[in-house]
Amino acid sequence: KNEVEQSPQNLTAQEGEFITINCSYSVGISALHWLQQHPGGGIVSLFMLSSGKKKHGRLIATINIQEKHSSLHITASHPRDSAVYICAVLFGNEKLTFGTGTRLTIIP
Amino acid sequence: GAVVSQHPSWVICKSGTSVKIECRSLDFQATTMFWYRQFPKQSLMLMATSNEGSKATYEQGVEKDKFLINHASLTLSTLTVTSAHPEDSSFYICSARTGGFGYTFGSGTRLTVV
Repeated sequence: KNEVEQSPQNLTAQEGEFITINCSYSVGISALHWLQQHPGGGIVSLFMLSSGKKKHGRLIATINIQEKHSSLHITASHPRDSAVYICAVLFGNEKLTFGTGTRLTIIP
Repeated sequence: GAVVSQHPSWVICKSGTSVKIECRSLDFQATTMFWYRQFPKQSLMLMATSNEGSKATYEQGVEKDKFLINHASLTLSTLTVTSAHPEDSSFYICSARTGGFGYTFGSGTRLTVV
């Protein structure tokens, strides 16, 4: 069964802290997406990964294909980073399978 | 980058009426569009996959007569919630493949049925 597990479910941190969100999946994948959903509901695609590491500003995403694991890191976190972060995986060429999301709150 | 415009952002309707939600791909052709539903504090649940010019494929448990999907052109897909009831109140969001394994998402529609 194609499964995606995400942790933690909730994360509260102080402004400036280094944040890590984890995603594990059950079988081989074609691609993994990290998504950001703000309180208004709209979803922004942050990264798409098939291997290695990507960086955009303060955000870094890594994936380990052998361990079937990906992490999203936020450096120098800021209150505006507060959102729900969702890991979504493409198994083969099928539909995206979503993790349950991580609700991140950054306190000033 | 590829953008999907979703309208309306929110809608309140009376029980028994129908509501149409539109998703338009603004700068690319979306041959496939996905429609999701999201309950509070839960993840996205795929309702159906629509392909331009053909019938939508619905996920198990989704009533195709209640949630009508039309994908008549490469830039427009619509979801119509027919005879809406309060239990249909939810957040609906669309997404489209943008080439390769990329996806882009609409901004979502919050439906409240009173």
